Amino acid sequence: QSALTQPASVSGSPGQSITISCTGTSSDVGGYNYVSWYQQHPDKAPKLMIYDVTNRPSGVSNRFSGSKSGNTASLTISGLQAEDEADYYCCSYTISSTWVFGGGTQLTVL
Amino acid sequence: QVQLVQSGGEVKKPGASVKVSCKASGFPFTNYVMHWVRQAPGQRLEWMGWINTAYDNTKYSQKFQGRVTITRDTSASTAYMELSSLRSEDTALYYCARERSRTFDCWGLGTLVTVSS
Repeated sequence: QSALTQPASVSGSPGQSITISCTGTSSDVGGYNYVSWYQQHPDKAPKLMIYDVTNRPSGVSNRFSGSKSGNTASLTISGLQAEDEADYYCCSYTISSTWVFGGGTQLTVL
Repeated sequence: QVQLVQSGGEVKKPGASVKVSCKASGFPFTNYVMHWVRQAPGQRLEWMGWINTAYDNTKYSQKFQGRVTITRDTSASTAYMELSSLRSEDTALYYCARERSRTFDCWGLGTLVTVSS
């Protein structure tokens, strides 16, 4: 199972919005609404930010939102803040009852 | 509160095996599937496999099939991941994670496994 495709890096200024894409296939992202997004700060464990494509867990800022079109899911962060600077990973359930992560995207807040 | 406490770091020689534990608390262990995910230094997250703690069935990534074994001890609310035939490329942080409806909603802090001669 190949990794889902994410941009290696994105950047934005405080207050701006950014979007991170996550492209898979019809056997994973396109076939199920089980795409989740994780935020990882340096030397920290991943933290769930979005699940089931669009849902936010309790406690996660509403500045974070998710969507999907075909085989590509997206994470949008609006009103960028310095604390959002981190690595972001998408993850999808697959047709084989396995999971696959994206390659990760490093977000820099300028 | 929901917590996953992992065992401490390990240093192993190439060819050896390592067994990492993940003790759950704050929730009914057998109501959840537990997963293992690893992250080599500076690399992406990589899914390894899961165990249904109630029925003791497992599923592994093809990449690790034959080298990884995930088990559980329900009396101790603990999941285990054993990786054999270690090589330098297996040096990584190994995380356990709880699954809730196809999502990893709770993660351990990770266990560093270093493979070095």
